[in-house]
Order: sequence, then structure tokens, then C-alpha cells
Amino acid sequence: DAGITQSPRHKVTETGTPVTLRCHQTENHRYMYWYRQDPGHGLRLIHYSYGVKDTDKGEVSDGYSVSRSKTEDFLLTLESATSSQTSVYFCAISARSGSTRPYNEQFFGPGTRLTVL
Amino acid sequence: KNEVEQSPQNLTAQEGEFITINCSYSVGISALHWLQQHPGGGIVSLFMLSSGKKKHGRLIATINIQEKHSSLHITASHPRDSAVYICAVGTGGSQGNLIFGKGTKLSVKP
Repeated sequence: DAGITQSPRHKVTETGTPVTLRCHQTENHRYMYWYRQDPGHGLRLIHYSYGVKDTDKGEVSDGYSVSRSKTEDFLLTLESATSSQTSVYFCAISARSGSTRPYNEQFFGPGTRLTVL
Repeated sequence: KNEVEQSPQNLTAQEGEFITINCSYSVGISALHWLQQHPGGGIVSLFMLSSGKKKHGRLIATINIQEKHSSLHITASHPRDSAVYICAVGTGGSQGNLIFGKGTKLSVKP
């Protein structure tokens, strides 16, 4: 157990509203990731972070922003939610704690199911 | 074309059967992962391998680096093995993220 929690676990919101999802880890891992999972697609990378205040875009970053002001928290924000952002969102951490490079093994949070009406 | 392809997409088996799920990839990798996702559940790492073969209980994972192919085998399958099995590869890049296949949905009937 890599001590990863996500909140909320479920959310229903309306188109145009802002939404923030939180990923919290207790293991001091440097690398954190946000993925989305949709039917017919594999998990796809939205954004990732390689340290406090250090973030970068992934494959499907349009419409999303992230922030990491503390090692333990990685926030994903939908500035103005759209129906195409209805998905299950997974946070993950890379398992080599304290390293300057990511280690390939990843551990996943429980997921957040987001529905945008 | 997807960089990680899994087959089959769906698989139904009878309890006790030997099951094989295949994964082919088209990129250079540093490691390949097999993950398990139960319905409505989170994602659990089963194996991470970069060569050869690994075994854990009734599960066996193999990889052929030259052929860019991996297989996940389940011996003496059981209904509790019903889940989505996901193949993912790490390319060893500075991002450290994984590239995922679309998953294989396995249903084991009693």
C-alpha cells in the first residue's frame, strides 16, 4: 500500500463549473501522475509532476490544469467542466522515493468517478 | 496505431481453464507491467518485468524483448480472477509515465 488517497471518490457536476480533484500521498514520492480512463481507451496521461511546483503536460492535457504546492498533494483542476471530461480519474505515484529519476513501478489511487452533465 | 496492443479484448473461460492474455508493443521499453482492475475497483500491479519470466501463485508473466511481446497466463482459473487485465509499458523516459493497452476483460464462469 503506497498510501494514496483521492477525493472526492464520486462527483456529479454541471457543464461550465470548475472542479478540483485531489490526490494525497503519505510516502514522500517525488513523481505523481494524473490519468483518465475511458471505455475504448487505455489509461491516458493528463499531467504529471516531478516535484513541488514542477509539473508538465501529458497526452490529453487540454482543459486541465494541475498544481503541486506540497510533496504530498497533487491537484487536478477542470477550469470549466465539459461533458467530454466525464471519466474515471486515477492518480498514481512512482515508487522510488527520494530519487531524482522516476522508477517504472507505479501505484494507483482508488480513482474518482466524475460525471459532467 | 496504438503503441501497446492487447488480445483478446474479451475472454470468457470456465473455472479451471488455463488462460493466456497477450500484449504486443511497438516502442523501446525499460519495463512491462501487468495490472489488474476489478469491476468498480482500483488498479493493482501484478508484475513488472524487463526480461524472462515471473510467477506469483497461479499467475505467470513472460516477456520476449526481441519479439516485443508479453503474455500473462492464469493456471486453474477461478471466478475471482474475473477482472480487466491491463498491459502497460514504461519507456524509461524522464517523465516516467506508463503507456497502457486498452485492457482484456476476463470473465471466469463457475
